[in-house]
Amino acid sequence: NAGVTQTPKFQVLKTGQSMTLQCAQDMNHNSMYWYRQDPGMGLRLIYYSASEGTTDKGEVPNGYNVSRLNKREFSLRLESAAPSQTSVYFCASSEGTNDIQYFGAGTRLSVL
Amino acid sequence: QKEVEQDPGPLSVPEGAIVSLNCTYSNSAFQYFMWYRQYSRKGPELLMYTYSSGNKEDGRFTAQVDKSSKYISLFIRDSQPSDSATYLCAIIQGAQKLVFGQGTRLTINP
Repeated sequence: NAGVTQTPKFQVLKTGQSMTLQCAQDMNHNSMYWYRQDPGMGLRLIYYSASEGTTDKGEVPNGYNVSRLNKREFSLRLESAAPSQTSVYFCASSEGTNDIQYFGAGTRLSVL
Repeated sequence: QKEVEQDPGPLSVPEGAIVSLNCTYSNSAFQYFMWYRQYSRKGPELLMYTYSSGNKEDGRFTAQVDKSSKYISLFIRDSQPSDSATYLCAIIQGAQKLVFGQGTRLTINP
């Protein structure tokens, strides 16, 4: 059971570069989420997709865009990376938006 | 004031001790309460889930919710070195809103 799969696991970018973080789930869940985790800050929601075809901003959306490609896949794009976006990024999915969320293993991103 | 407050620790205890981890929350509309465990360099995994006041037990773990005081706790009995991890409380307020505490880093010393 793969669950939630994130790629890549690690990435180093230079300021101003762009990249896309990929996330796929095989649990047939309707809702998907992107979080960032910083020391002392816990997990903060960047964007979520309640269902296929919809996306909404979370607590910290600035500097990010998302695409719900299909029911399985939800990508996060950094158009012009900044050092403040150095963080660990987690994707999660749930059956509905009030349900238990299941997390991927994370992507460690460093922006120099 | 943060919606969910959790002492970040770190907390270090000897093997076999009883561990108490706590969170407070500010919004009485919070309905569902969870504890996630996160090992180093891994994603969070669900440990306990409850929606009512009182205790819920699962093996060595007990989740306690006191809605009148807006206080949730996780107790670990007979703690083991394998319990060393960061523990995050998480609360569902309503649709699309899962709010996490900062996480408490726990170390169980053999």
